[in-house]
Amino acid sequence: DGGITQSPKYLFRKEGQNVTLSCEQNLNHDAMYWYRQDPGQGLRLIYYSQIVNDFQKGDIAEGYSVSREKKESFPLTVTSAQKNPTAFYLCASSNQGGGTEAFFGQGTRLTVV
Amino acid sequence: GENVEQHPSTLSVQEGDSAVIKCTYSDSASNYFPWYKQELGKRPQLIIDIRSNVGEKKDQRIAVTLNKTAKHFSLHITETQPEDSAVYFCAASFSSNDYKLSFGAGTTVTVRA
Repeated sequence: DGGITQSPKYLFRKEGQNVTLSCEQNLNHDAMYWYRQDPGQGLRLIYYSQIVNDFQKGDIAEGYSVSREKKESFPLTVTSAQKNPTAFYLCASSNQGGGTEAFFGQGTRLTVV
Repeated sequence: GENVEQHPSTLSVQEGDSAVIKCTYSDSASNYFPWYKQELGKRPQLIIDIRSNVGEKKDQRIAVTLNKTAKHFSLHITETQPEDSAVYFCAASFSSNDYKLSFGAGTTVTVRA
């Protein structure tokens, strides 16, 4: 089913807490991405990574952090510095980066309570 | 960085009519333009893409056109059916050395029976 898995599907966080969203792919893809989806705002890029141990900020990186220690894993941490973290988060991967199809995970809906 | 604008934000069409969604991009170096479809509660999936060396591409009822000079590209859906109802996203990237994939804000298409 696409080979890219996000967990958990739903996540609740108390204000002031950090939380980490998991993204794992078994497609042997080099590139991985994190997007935030809000109604009417499309898919906004948070971070992306082209290779292991390397990643770049996207358009809305403030309040988020990532790591890429393994090719198949690209976890996203939503820190307490993110002022409006409630959103739907999508992870994606692609084989050669920007010039090929990106495959998406099923998403994680994060709610701050 | 790349900025992708998408119009309209919502589109309602009668079953059997055509639907057209337009996108513009800012970075003239962009050379890959995919379109994704996201059905309610599901992950985005690629439906068609076009590269900068091609002006038009068709796949059954779906076509995409690209005007590099004007920096805009469009999705055309002919003979619309109820199952075409979804959110459609355009995207742009420059595949040579930067894997950043930027999306438009999305168009919610509703096909009326």
